[in-house]
Amino acid sequence: QSVLTQSPSASETPGQRVTISCSGSSSNIGSRFVYWYRHLPGTAPKLLIYRDNQRPSGVPDRFSGSKSGTSASLAISGLRSDDEAHYYCAVWDDSLRTVVFGGGTKLTVL
Amino acid sequence: QLQLQESGSGLVKPSQTLSLTCAVSGGSINSGGYSWSWLRQPPGKGLEWIGYSYSSGSTYFNPSLKSRVTISVDRSKNQFSLKLSSVTAADTAVYFCARSGDGGWFDPWGQGTLVTVSS
Repeated sequence: QSVLTQSPSASETPGQRVTISCSGSSSNIGSRFVYWYRHLPGTAPKLLIYRDNQRPSGVPDRFSGSKSGTSASLAISGLRSDDEAHYYCAVWDDSLRTVVFGGGTKLTVL
Repeated sequence: QLQLQESGSGLVKPSQTLSLTCAVSGGSINSGGYSWSWLRQPPGKGLEWIGYSYSSGSTYFNPSLKSRVTISVDRSKNQFSLKLSSVTAADTAVYFCARSGDGGWFDPWGQGTLVTVSS
């Protein structure tokens, strides 16, 4: 069981907006920055969002991050077929004294 | 552009030591004050952070793996390495290396390499 809870799957049609959530606790999301990654099996995972809502250079503004209390969200607008991937949240946990990841959400673009 | 590439044995026997190396290209492992991390993903499971080393040699490990992990940096070869001792089938995973920063920041990552623990 992951410390951070993500829905295992999400789906939406091209051009629409989807939100992927990540639920944690006061020892992680509630007190630390959240990071989001995209991963296609067989390739290198990619940083999408850092420090809750910041985009690295080169990441389109279709991707946005937000946080409220002990939950965080990744929103992807203008969905494209190549957005199909696994999306993971990550954060430092003060109680476990390690970085923890969510179980991942597999996004399907219908 | 910074690139990382994992290499090492893809098959390790139970109770032996897993050894992997991550070659860093397109930049120096000494620069920027970053740390250098290893992570893994067992088949069908989520990601797990193993630990990091700075180029200075300072390290920090996931408490769940701390007793079995060594991470070292070779500045002359611009690479860093992972050793995981006393492996079992539960250590079978795709292992990734990554540059790391603030807790949870990893960028970029290597493509990953599958290590299978089996006799």
